[in-house]
Amino acid sequence: DAGITQSPRYKITETGRQVTLMCHQTWSHSYMFWYRQDLGHGLRLIYYSAAADITDKGEVPDGYVVSRSKTENFPLTLESATRSQTSVYFCASSSRTPRYTEAFFGQGTRLTVV
Amino acid sequence: SQQGEEDPQALSIQEGENATMNCSYKTSINNLQWYRQNSGRGLVHLILIRSNEREKHSGRLRVTLDTSKKSSSLLITASRAADTASYFCATDAGGNDMRFGAGTRLTVKP
Repeated sequence: DAGITQSPRYKITETGRQVTLMCHQTWSHSYMFWYRQDLGHGLRLIYYSAAADITDKGEVPDGYVVSRSKTENFPLTLESATRSQTSVYFCASSSRTPRYTEAFFGQGTRLTVV
Repeated sequence: SQQGEEDPQALSIQEGENATMNCSYKTSINNLQWYRQNSGRGLVHLILIRSNEREKHSGRLRVTLDTSKKSSSLLITASRAADTASYFCATDAGGNDMRFGAGTRLTVKP
């Protein structure tokens, strides 16, 4: 199916474990983004990527790692999960820089760290 | 820190009324966008207004932008129960990323 998909939709993990959230888009969009959404904070940018092998930090990158070896995939890894990383994570993509065009969002991954 | 701040945080109106939400931002922008989020879902793009535009319409949506005040407003006319959602503004902050505010939660009562 065309679009942007995130997996898993729900994940429970233990403190200290490594967990990877997947994001896949079928449009060959250049830009991809990871956000976390917490009550009272709206969406905060974690990392973004302008193209394959190009990534940049956002507002809250600590504790997260990203890679972009292929244009269509942008996985987000929590190297050692902490309770403060319990959140809903959204991936998004856009065809060009957000200076010029809108972004398309996945359905989100609800992550609980216990 | 977040680039955009929406006001009010929550808004409750009756069906048929107009809903106005405001967004203030901190740095120069190339454009400002509005998104809607239904409960438990991803964000959906509504409208994009460029920094050299002052007003834009899309169906029942009207967006204004005042770059001198670093603010924007989203007006939804003749609201419907289906408009119940959270609304977010987002800006590029002059860069290649996109930053959001905390959102306005709109409830439209039938």
